[in-house]
Amino acid sequence: GAVVSQHPSRVICKSGTSVKIECRSLDFQATTMFWYRQFPKQSLMLMATSNEGSKATYEQGVEKDKFLINHASLTLSTLTVTSAHPEDSSFYICSAREGAQTYNEQFFGPGTRLTVL
Amino acid sequence: GNSVTQMEGPVTLSEEAFLTINCTYTATGYPSLFWYVQYPGEGLQLLLKATKADDKGSNKGFEATYRKETTSFHLEKGSVQVSDSAVYFCALGNNAGNMLTFGGGTRLMVKP
Repeated sequence: GAVVSQHPSRVICKSGTSVKIECRSLDFQATTMFWYRQFPKQSLMLMATSNEGSKATYEQGVEKDKFLINHASLTLSTLTVTSAHPEDSSFYICSAREGAQTYNEQFFGPGTRLTVL
Repeated sequence: GNSVTQMEGPVTLSEEAFLTINCTYTATGYPSLFWYVQYPGEGLQLLLKATKADDKGSNKGFEATYRKETTSFHLEKGSVQVSDSAVYFCALGNNAGNMLTFGGGTRLMVKP
């Protein structure tokens, strides 16, 4: 299957700093990328959907100014957690899909664990 | 709205034991059902799926049957191996595995 990578795999930062997480599709062009968040012992929750070259669509309750998403190329999307606070500590997972059609399978990255001190 | 509930882990088994991980769902319409597996350090991978009632998905010795009457999609394997140690996610969505709603995940640990 197609491979999606994330970097970094783990990050620890101080409260108030910003953290950028990268999501890359390694062997296909990802027109659409998704960002999920997972709290311990809870489900993956979709945060936002981004299509290359356009603004991301955020799910209800997700602050777009807090979680900046950039999908500037067909192989890279970034999630920036701005002015991070301890409550932002979580596991962030991206996935990527070739094309915008919902009948194409999405492939998941390994996730990034963010800890905000 | 849609929701998926799966048993909390960790589930710890000895090699060659029988595995069941329960999953139940609530949904509007006729979703497809999925099991994803996440091995340490890797992304979620689609393990198996079923797209309509009474369908059985199977892969790598794992099976799950789409039971509309009990709104369940329990994952089973007759004889687990150490290499099956991973986190398993039950999910529902459209046929292609999009618009997914996930369960909380169940960690399986298989001891030699």
